[in-house]
Amino acid sequence: DAGVTQSPTHLIKTRGQHVTLRCSPISGHKSVSWYQQVLGQGPQFIFQYYEKEERGRGNFPDRFSARQFPNYSSELNVNALLLGDSALYLCASSYVDKNSPLHFGNGTRLTVT
Amino acid sequence: DQQVKQNSPSLSVQEGRISILNCDYTNSMFDYFLWYKKYPAEGPTFLISISSIKDKNEDGRFTVFLNKSAKHLSLHIVPSQPGDSAVYFCAASANQGAQKLVFGQGTRLTINP
Repeated sequence: DAGVTQSPTHLIKTRGQHVTLRCSPISGHKSVSWYQQVLGQGPQFIFQYYEKEERGRGNFPDRFSARQFPNYSSELNVNALLLGDSALYLCASSYVDKNSPLHFGNGTRLTVT
Repeated sequence: DQQVKQNSPSLSVQEGRISILNCDYTNSMFDYFLWYKKYPAEGPTFLISISSIKDKNEDGRFTVFLNKSAKHLSLHIVPSQPGDSAVYFCAASANQGAQKLVFGQGTRLTINP
């Protein structure tokens, strides 16, 4: 079975631009979460979506938004990019039950210049 | 406020010996803890988890110990193998099985032959 797939793998954008990152969960997983990992730190929670509804949001500005589609894939959108948005963006999927760990994709490396 | 802390940025262990990675947390509401391993250019991979109702969980070479009174958990790897060289992240959740994980900063483990 394919794991969590993310696209693109790398992206370079300019300050002020907008970016869309995409994620396909593992087959059968209905929950998708997004994390931001800045160099030298652990991943930080951005969003969780389940059944197309936002189920959790981390401490990120409104420039960050996401959505989930009927096939459970997801998009993360970031508007008005800042230099500080440069990071590895990780998507994770899981079953929604109490003992289901997150399974991460390999991430999208975003560089804002 | 760093709710999950891994105070050792790096650890070097000889092949065949025991590796012990440590993690401290401050939020007493955390009730589910996980360890992830991350290789370069890959997403974090789930290793092992433990619920707050237990104090030990074992899976092959990996054992996680939880000391709730000290708000401390540790991951033991015995015996250590060269393939174990990676960055290890401790993560915690305040609602068992919830998708919103709080990660530590990571510990880079190097296994020397």
